[in-house]
Amino acid sequence: DAMVIQNPRYQVTQFGKPVTLSCSQTLNHNVMYWYQQKSSQAPKLLFHYYDKDFNNEADTPDNFQSRRPNTSFCFLDIRSPGLGDAAMYLCATSREPNQPQHFGDGTRLSIL
Amino acid sequence: RKEVEQDPGPFNVPEGATVAFNCTYSNSASQSFFWYRQDCRKEPKLLMSVYSSGNEDGRFTAQLNRASQYISLLIRDSKLSDSATYLCVVYTGGFKTIFGAGTRLFVKA
Repeated sequence: DAMVIQNPRYQVTQFGKPVTLSCSQTLNHNVMYWYQQKSSQAPKLLFHYYDKDFNNEADTPDNFQSRRPNTSFCFLDIRSPGLGDAAMYLCATSREPNQPQHFGDGTRLSIL
Repeated sequence: RKEVEQDPGPFNVPEGATVAFNCTYSNSASQSFFWYRQDCRKEPKLLMSVYSSGNEDGRFTAQLNRASQYISLLIRDSKLSDSATYLCVVYTGGFKTIFGAGTRLFVKA
């Protein structure tokens, strides 16, 4: 059974058209993370939440926002996607920050 | 210098071979260490945590050398299905987890 679920698996949007990616977890983990991964690169952390406490990485563009309305769900909003935002977006959870992270299947975002 | 460095490879090995990867990290205060496996266009999946005493899971053995600040992954009796990218992951404290860019492994028949 999938424990970290991301929707949609594939998202195509137009340049500048807002898009929202979703993530849900059944693990009851405290920490949720959003990563951006481009081909042959390491996942790049965008945000994390510890419960409702939010942390924005210093180099995350302002174009990216996140919401965690409850412990099970987390959203990534890209307000005005540019061509450089085409990537795989990965949601992950961990019980505590020092423990292994469990990833969803990812959402592959394409920009037209 | 990158905080976590891996040889990108690719490592091309025949089935049945033994292959080893190293990963170096720069922060001596790093606390937790992991190896993940990532298949092409898929999400990373935890392969194993790495403990100071070393640990083994079937054909896979992980070692941690704090003095030299590296971790290693040894794969014995390689299978075709082991072909993947192996990511070294280091937790340095707070909420900082650093992923290496990965080492690509191709196992050939």
